[in-house]
Amino acid sequence: DSGVTQTPKHLITATGQRVTLRCSPRSGDLSVYWYQQSLDQGLQFLIQYYNGEERAKGNILERFSAQQFPDLHSELNLSSLELGDSALYFCASSVDGSQPQHFGDGTRLSIL
Amino acid sequence: DAKTTQPTSMDCAEGRAANLPCNHSTISGNEYVYWYRQIHSQGPQYIIHGLKNNETNEMASLIITEDRKSSTLILPHATLRDTAVYYCIVRASNSGGSNYKLTFGKGTLLTVNP
Repeated sequence: DSGVTQTPKHLITATGQRVTLRCSPRSGDLSVYWYQQSLDQGLQFLIQYYNGEERAKGNILERFSAQQFPDLHSELNLSSLELGDSALYFCASSVDGSQPQHFGDGTRLSIL
Repeated sequence: DAKTTQPTSMDCAEGRAANLPCNHSTISGNEYVYWYRQIHSQGPQYIIHGLKNNETNEMASLIITEDRKSSTLILPHATLRDTAVYYCIVRASNSGGSNYKLTFGKGTLLTVNP
């Protein structure tokens, strides 16, 4: 158990819909990262937050957004969903950016 | 971040040591070598990391060559539960406070056989 909690574990929805994925970091960790893993693209970095502030963006689509709240949990919002958004979405956390990241078990998103 | 090269797959007998190589010939002086593994669609699991000295923890040992252009992850007594994709990742130790992303390649699928 990494200590990073992601909910829900599975999500099935339709094209055009909007979903919110939630991540609770390990106790004491201030940095949160989101990654997407699809069959054709592998594991890709989406976005990083540190203590509530956005620190870095990767290949995150404009239809996707995220935030980190004062209690340090984070949410990833995906809107106008397309079939290609079907993937595993992982959240990771670390004490700060320079320390190892620890990953949650992910949310499996299926778009029908 | 420097690029890494790993074999696509490896096999190991249960109870034997598994030695997973990684080439990172363009590594910079401030870049660490990290190892993660992913067991069948679970979240990646941190294993170990190092800068230039060899490192050991309860999971594995990391041997980095003197020129830092390659490294080897050693699982001393592999078990069936060690079957996973192992990722070698090079990442800067200090990005000025921003962007400590991990860049995952395709990794090595290690299969531990009974």
